[in-house]
This record gives sequence, structure tokens and C-alpha cells, in this order.
Amino acid sequence: AQSVSQHNHHVILSEAASLELGCNYSYGGTVNLFWYVQYPGQHLQLLLKYFSGDPLVKGIKGFEAEFIKSKFSFNLRKPSVQWSDTAEYFCAVNEGGTPLVFGKGTRLSVIA
Amino acid sequence: NAGVTQTPKFQVLKTGQSMTLQCAQDMNHNSMYWYRQDPGMGLRLIYYSASEGTTDKGEVPNGYNVSRLNKREFSLRLESAAPSQTSVYFCASTGGEQFFGPGTRLTVL
Repeated sequence: AQSVSQHNHHVILSEAASLELGCNYSYGGTVNLFWYVQYPGQHLQLLLKYFSGDPLVKGIKGFEAEFIKSKFSFNLRKPSVQWSDTAEYFCAVNEGGTPLVFGKGTRLSVIA
Repeated sequence: NAGVTQTPKFQVLKTGQSMTLQCAQDMNHNSMYWYRQDPGMGLRLIYYSASEGTTDKGEVPNGYNVSRLNKREFSLRLESAAPSQTSVYFCASTGGEQFFGPGTRLTVL
């Protein structure tokens, strides 16, 4: 069965620091990849997605992610975080139309 | 266009009580899902419905039942609630991209 690993449980950064959150998945076939964000007390919202094509994907709010097939990775990046980026971030993967499999999430705390 | 709606937002149950969580989407999506979210566990799939009239178990189906009433609605039922079912429950639907409802925070005492 497909599985998703998010390496960092909790990341604490100062404002303006750069962010990279790791995500690895287990399946070697054709996958769709997603990053979701959950702000405190809210539901999940899509940040960005990769289905095919350019492996560097740009999403909302200045986030981007790079799909590296050889490493089974889809890491999330942002050059300069803001306090408002404080949230929990989830990586997810599926194959075709199968249900999404989520990682356990990474909590990001941005301090002034 | 409300997206995915869920009711109720909050619920407190006693052990052994039953309840149904309601979910509806207005995006004409075929696939709908129920997840539970627990601290440090991410989202785990309880049940899903790939199309009207079909349902399938996910990763953690025990203690739950579902009904895909029509294309719009997908309900989740707890027949005899247990404290281990204390969680936040999210419904979602997908037409390529998955959209989530606002969640139901359930506490079982």
C-alpha cells in the first residue's frame, strides 16, 4: 500500500527564513502529488498539486514544490516565511482516481 | 456554490450513543470521502464512495457505517460511539482536486 513520510514533525522558523518541508512516498509508478495547508481551527486547503509535466510546481501564497521521481520526493519550499504561514502542512499522494493517502503532517511555527 | 458542507460542527456524545454526520457537496463530484484527523496521525480514510451507490472501506472503518444517499450526500454513522472515536471528522469530494468540508469535532465521553 502507498505510504507518505513527512520527516519533520514540528518546524520553528523566524520570519523571513526559508522553508523546506520534506515529503517522500513509497510507490514507484505514476502518482499525483499534493500539498495541503491547515490553518489553526480550519479545514484543509490545497496549496499546490502535481499531476504531470514540469516537476517544479508553483502554488498559492509563494509556495512551490519539486517532484524528484528518482528520490520519490515532493518537497515543499518557500523562500521567505511570514507569521501568517503558521499552520500544519500535509503531503498527500494518489494513483489515478484512488483515495488520497496523507502524511502525518508537519506543524510550522513562525516566530517574529 | 457552497462547496462541501458538514453538519454538525460540534457534538458531544456519551459512550454507546449513536449519531450521523451529514455531508453534502454541490460540485457534481462523483467521489466522496470521510476522514478522521487525530493529533500526530494526519488524516486517515474511514470510508469512501467512488460513485453514487458504491461505498468502500478505507484504512480505519471499524465502528462506522456510511450511506451514499445520492450524488450530493454522503453520511457517516456511528452506531455505538466509543471514546476512541473522539476526533475531528472531515468530509471531502473530488473532481481531480480534493475539496474538504469544515469538519465536525466529536467528543465521546
